[in-house]
Amino acid sequence: DAGVIQSPRHEVTEMGQEVTLRCKPISGHDYLFWYRQTMMRGLELLIYFNNNVPIDDSGMPEDRFSAKMPNASFSTLKIQPSEPRDSAVYFCASSARDGGGQPQHFGDGTRLSIL
Amino acid sequence: GIQVEQSPPDLILQEGANSTLRCNFSDSVNNLQWFHQNPWGQLINLFYIPSGTKQNGRLSATTVATERYSLLYISSSQTTDSGVYFCAAGMNTGFQKLVFGTGTRLLVSP
Repeated sequence: DAGVIQSPRHEVTEMGQEVTLRCKPISGHDYLFWYRQTMMRGLELLIYFNNNVPIDDSGMPEDRFSAKMPNASFSTLKIQPSEPRDSAVYFCASSARDGGGQPQHFGDGTRLSIL
Repeated sequence: GIQVEQSPPDLILQEGANSTLRCNFSDSVNNLQWFHQNPWGQLINLFYIPSGTKQNGRLSATTVATERYSLLYISSSQTTDSGVYFCAAGMNTGFQKLVFGTGTRLLVSP
C-alpha cells in the first residue's frame, strides 16, 4: 500500500514568492497533520484535519500560512509571502479513524529553502 | 501544554549492544508514540503505546502512564538503528495532537 505522498521533495525559492506544498494521505485515513521541523524548534504541529475539516490550527505561525483539505485524498499547505525563516522540512502525516489515538504515518517531507 | 522530555540526548553504541531510551511527560496522556528518524530524514512510526508493553523484533516499548514515562528498548543494536528517536505524546483532550520531545540521537558503530 502507498504511504503518505508529499510533493515536491525539495523546493528552493526566493523571499516573497508563494509556496505550495502538497500531500496525499493514506487511503482510508481520516486524520491529516502538517508538521514543521527545524533545528531550533524541533518537530511542531502546525494544523490537523479530521474528515477534511480543520480541527486545530493553533500551531500555524502567522497569517502567511494557510492549509486546505478539499477532499479526503489531498491537502495543501501554502505560504504567501514566503520568508527566509520559513526554511524547514515540512512533513505531512495521516492516521486512521478510531475512538482513541492511532499511529501517525509520515510522508518523506518537503525540504523548503527560502533565499 | 504538555511537556515531553527525552534522555539521553545522545548515545553512542557498539554494534550488538543494548540500550534504553527514556521519555518523560508532564501530564496524563491518551496517546504515546515512538518514531525513528533515519539518516535520510524519514520518520518511521515504531510504536503506538499509550500504556503497557509492546515488542517488534529487537525493539520493545513500555509505557507506565500512571508514572508518566515511557521506555524504548533496543537490543542487539545494528548500524541501521542509527538516527534520532522521538517520543510524542497527546493529552486526554485532543489526543490526536502530538507534542514531540527533542529526541535521542543514536549512533551505532560497527
